[in-house]
Amino acid sequence: DTGVSQDPRHKITKRGQNVTFRCDPISEHNRLYWYRQTLGQGPEFLTYFQNEAQLEKSRLLSDRFSAERPKGSFSTLEIQRTEQGDSAMYLCASTSERGGTDTQYFGPGTRLTVL
Amino acid sequence: DQQVKQNSPSLSVQEGRISILNCDYTNSMFDYFLWYKKYPAEGPTFLISISSIKDKNEDGRFTVFLNKSAKHLSLHIVPSQPGDSAVYFCAATTFSWGKLQFGAGTQVVVTP
Repeated sequence: DTGVSQDPRHKITKRGQNVTFRCDPISEHNRLYWYRQTLGQGPEFLTYFQNEAQLEKSRLLSDRFSAERPKGSFSTLEIQRTEQGDSAMYLCASTSERGGTDTQYFGPGTRLTVL
Repeated sequence: DQQVKQNSPSLSVQEGRISILNCDYTNSMFDYFLWYKKYPAEGPTFLISISSIKDKNEDGRFTVFLNKSAKHLSLHIVPSQPGDSAVYFCAATTFSWGKLQFGAGTQVVVTP
């Protein structure tokens, strides 16, 4: 399977705990995006990387959120001191570096539930 | 602010008939548009896209129409099949952006 993979698929945590999600993009893709989707809404952009550089962060990404892509391959998204409002589906997508016209391919997502 | 809008939250269509999904946008900078399909508990799957230099793009049963003056696009699915039952998202971006702006989605149900 050469698609985008995400781990874990589901995460249940208690408020105040830290969680970390992992995304493995399609191997030849330089750009990696994180989105968040809540019930009844479309995905909302959080941040993106070109290789290992984080080039843009949404204002949705509070200081409790941090994302890394240390070697330009897989990426992690960490949420510290989780809140109930963080409950959502976290989606990762990847594309090549040619720019905005390239199709973004999504992983299956990580569903986070904060109790 | 919601720059991409899908005003119909749901659509029911009979198998074999045409499904028409609509999408409006407000940002005139958008120059690339995509449609994604999403099943429950899965990530969005790319369906079809269109650049602002075109007004129509076809791929099998799927056709996307773009009306730039009205800032409106539509997705036609002909003929509709039961496996088309899913949530469909319209997305927009610019050539320099990369990040996608999504609409809220339309739930399509294809009935026998």
